[in-house]
Amino acid sequence: DVQLQESGPGLVKPSQTVSLTCTVTGISITTGNYRWSWIRQFPGNKLEWIGYIYYSGTITYNPSLTSRTTITRDTSKNQFFLEMNSLTAEDTATYYCAREMVGIDYWGQGTTLTVSS
Amino acid sequence: QIVLTQSPAIMSASPGEKVTLTCSASSSVSSSYLYWYQQKPGSSPKLWIYSTSNLASGVPARFSGSGSGTSYSLTISSMEAEDAASYFCHQWSSYPPTFGGGTKLEIK
Repeated sequence: DVQLQESGPGLVKPSQTVSLTCTVTGISITTGNYRWSWIRQFPGNKLEWIGYIYYSGTITYNPSLTSRTTITRDTSKNQFFLEMNSLTAEDTATYYCAREMVGIDYWGQGTTLTVSS
Repeated sequence: QIVLTQSPAIMSASPGEKVTLTCSASSSVSSSYLYWYQQKPGSSPKLWIYSTSNLASGVPARFSGSGSGTSYSLTISSMEAEDAASYFCHQWSSYPPTFGGGTKLEIK
C-alpha cells in the first residue's frame, strides 16, 4: 500500500529556513507519470498548492512561492523534500506531501509548522 | 490564477435530505481536471470525486458530481451522518492549481 509520511521541526523562528521531508513507501517516486507534491493548509482550512517534483525529476512551483521554495529528492531513500526560506507567521500551516496523477489520491498525515519567535 | 468559490461556506442537513454543494470558477475549468475532496477533523483530505463526476474508490453511490465551464456541484442524494465533513473543490485545468475555500457540511 502506498504511504507518505512527513517529518519536520514543528517550530521555527521568523526569517529562518525550514526543511521538511516526505518518506514514501509502497511505490518508487521514479514510477512513471506521478507528481510528488507539497500542499499546505492554513488555520481556517484554506489549502494552497506549493509545488511538485515529477517522477522524471522536473520541478514546478506555485509562482507565488517560487522565490523562496525549493523541492528536491533522494531517490535512493525514496524521499522528497521541501525547503522554504524567509519564513513569517503567515507560513504557519499544516504541510502535506501527496501523490498526484488523476487528482491527489494519496496524502500524508501532515506535519504542523509553526513560525513564531 | 483561477479562483474557486464554494457555497455555502457552512450548511447543515437532516438525515435523508438531498444536499448540493457548489463550486464556481473565475474562469472556465476543463471538466477533466475538476476534483472534490472530503476532509474530516484531524484527518488529511481524501480524493472523493475526480474529473467532475467520477467517484473515487470506496465513495458511496449516493454521491455524484456534475458541471462544466465555471460551475460545478457535488450532490448527496440522501444525507447520512457519516457525510458530515468539509468538502473542497480543486482544479488543475490551469496553472497554478487552486482549491476552493471549502464547504463545511454538518448533520442536523
